Amino acid sequence: QSVLTQPPSVSAAPGQKVTISCSGSSSNIGNNFVSWYQQLPGTAPKLLIYENNKRPSGIPDRFSGSKSGTSATLDITGLQTGDEADYYCGTWDGSLSAGGVFGGGTKLTVL
Amino acid sequence: EVQLLDSGGGLVQPGGSLRLSCAASGFTFSSYAMSWVRQAPGKGLEWVSAVSGSGGSTYYADSVKGRFTISRDKSKNTLYLQMNSLRVEDTAVYYCAKDRWGGVGVNFDYWGQGTLVTVSA
Repeated sequence: QSVLTQPPSVSAAPGQKVTISCSGSSSNIGNNFVSWYQQLPGTAPKLLIYENNKRPSGIPDRFSGSKSGTSATLDITGLQTGDEADYYCGTWDGSLSAGGVFGGGTKLTVL
Repeated sequence: EVQLLDSGGGLVQPGGSLRLSCAASGFTFSSYAMSWVRQAPGKGLEWVSAVSGSGGSTYYADSVKGRFTISRDKSKNTLYLQMNSLRVEDTAVYYCAKDRWGGVGVNFDYWGQGTLVTVSA
C-alpha cells in the first residue's frame, strides 16, 4: 500500500491527452514539492517534472505538472506510442518517520 | 556528463549482509543529496534511504531502519548502502539516485542503472 495514490492504469489514443493523478496528505504533497518519473520497461526511472511543474532540459512541453492542496497531476498531450511506460509521482513526507514516498505507479497504454 | 554506476548486488541468504556501491562522476559529489530507491520484481518504486550532501543527515524507510546504513565517501565520490539482516522481501533492483539539491528530498535528476539483490535460501 503506497503512501501516494495513483490510478493503476490509464489509456488514450495517439495524439490525445491523458491525465495521471497523485493523491496524498498534508504531511507529504500538501507541504512539499512533487516530482514525476517515467520508467520504460527494463530501464531506470527518468525525471519528467520537479518542483510540481518544472521540466528538466530535454523534456518536451507535452509533459506538464501541477499541484493543488494534497493532490498533484501529470498531463501528457499529443500522446505518442513511445510514451507507453509506467509513471510515478514522488515527494518527501515530513511525518514522524520522515522520508521519501512514491505513488504505486500508473501504466500508460497508448492505444 | 553525470554518471552513476551501481554495483555490489548478488544472491545472499536470509540473514546475510551485502554492501552496495554507487560510483559517481561528472558533478561535485559532496554538493548533492543522494538516495537509494528499490524496485521489487514487477512492483513499483520504493524509497529506501537518503543522505544529505554534507553527509550529516541520513534518513531511512521504516522497512529498513536498523538494518541498512547509508554512507558516502567524498574522497572516492562513492555512495554506499550497507545491508544487514537481509530478508526475502528485500529482493529488488536497487538504484542510487542523485538529488537536484544538497538537502534531502525526492528530486532525482540522475539514476544509476540498478543492481539486483536477491535474498533466497
